[in-house]
Amino acid sequence: ETGVTQTPRHLVMGMTNKKSLKCEQHLGHNAMYWYKQSAKKPLELMFVYNFKEQTENNSVPSRFSPECPNSSHLFLHLHTLQPEDSALYLCASSPGAENTGELFFGEGSRLTVL
Amino acid sequence: GQSLEQPSEVTAVEGAIVQINCTYQTSGFYGLSWYQQHDGGAPTFLSYNALDGLEETGRFSSFLSRSDSYGYLLLQELQMKDSASYFCAVRAGRRALTFGSGTRLQVQP
Repeated sequence: ETGVTQTPRHLVMGMTNKKSLKCEQHLGHNAMYWYKQSAKKPLELMFVYNFKEQTENNSVPSRFSPECPNSSHLFLHLHTLQPEDSALYLCASSPGAENTGELFFGEGSRLTVL
Repeated sequence: GQSLEQPSEVTAVEGAIVQINCTYQTSGFYGLSWYQQHDGGAPTFLSYNALDGLEETGRFSSFLSRSDSYGYLLLQELQMKDSASYFCAVRAGRRALTFGSGTRLQVQP
């Protein structure tokens, strides 16, 4: 148990569906992150939120829409995805977003787009 | 931009010592982190080096040379449970961690 919980753990969706991934952290942290992990590729940073404000958007396509209603919750809304978006989506948190080398990851949501 | 290079696979036997190297190119470097990820699991933090030298935590040690843009993770007294993927990651500028592609370590009996 890492203190970061992601749901659902597995998701299969068609290209026309709309779904959301949820992340909740119980560590009292102020920064939250979305990373994408595809086979044989580095973890790719998608978004960073610090104190509920988006501080990084790594040129992510608009079919991925993040939402951070408070410092404990982070969502990733998905719509009209492509098969190449199939991957493991990892949420992470840290005490703050500044100069930290330590992130606390959830176990990820494995997404399959048909 | 930023780039990190680490070997894709390493194999070693139980009880041995293995070193996983990481070279990086970045501007505004702050530090180098290492993470372990078992199949189906979450990446878990192992170490963070901001200064040159060796940091030891139990069987794992991590080294950084800022002048060489190089670091390594040293795993001693290997155990079967150490079979996993190991990622180096750089902290640079105001950006969040940028990860390498990972090194898959297989420990054999």
